[in-house]
Amino acid sequence: QSALTQPASVSGSPGQSITISCTGTSSDVGGYNYVSWYQQHPGKAPKLMIYEVSNRPSGVPDRFSGSKSGNTASLTISGLQAEDEADYYCSSYTSSSTLEVFGGGTKLTVL
Amino acid sequence: EVQLVQSGAEVKKPGESLKISCKGSGYSFTSYWIGWVRQMPGKGLEWMGIIYPGDSDTRYSPSFQGQVTISADKSISTAYLQWSSLKASDTAMYYCARRWELLGYFDYWGQGTLVTVSS
Repeated sequence: QSALTQPASVSGSPGQSITISCTGTSSDVGGYNYVSWYQQHPGKAPKLMIYEVSNRPSGVPDRFSGSKSGNTASLTISGLQAEDEADYYCSSYTSSSTLEVFGGGTKLTVL
Repeated sequence: EVQLVQSGAEVKKPGESLKISCKGSGYSFTSYWIGWVRQMPGKGLEWMGIIYPGDSDTRYSPSFQGQVTISADKSISTAYLQWSSLKASDTAMYYCARRWELLGYFDYWGQGTLVTVSS
């Protein structure tokens, strides 16, 4: 069982918006602003999409945004496109000895 | 251009040893942490551990402490992940990735090394 909880799957039609949640505790997501989101296409390495809760690296479309409320972080993708279909993982620093934890991943299907 | 290039796929038998590599280029190798992430077949990402090549400061996830060894040779800008005695359950894709700070995010990833352990 992953330390951070994500929905197993979400779906949306092209042009729509979707939100993926990532729920942790006050020892990780809720306690620190070190939440990141990664996109992984089949057979490919993960790619950083959001860092420090809501920052986008250069080159990531502004359709991708991140936020946090309490112990839950969220990734929102607006104006869904076919190429957004992928697995998405959140990660967070944790004050436990693990140092960092990932969510279980969410499969995004673009209908 | 920043690149992390990992060594090729490996097929090993249970009990054998293995060392896979991750070579960094296009940046100051000793100024960034290199982490290792496991992805078992059809499963999610797992944080294994991380090393700072500048001074070899190394941290492990408790789940992997004692199971693997992370090291680095800064003279050739290469980080390593090694096993002394592989198990079938070590079959997975292993990724290396870099970060600027220990408490941070991985901004560049290697292409992955598939390790298959089977008798």
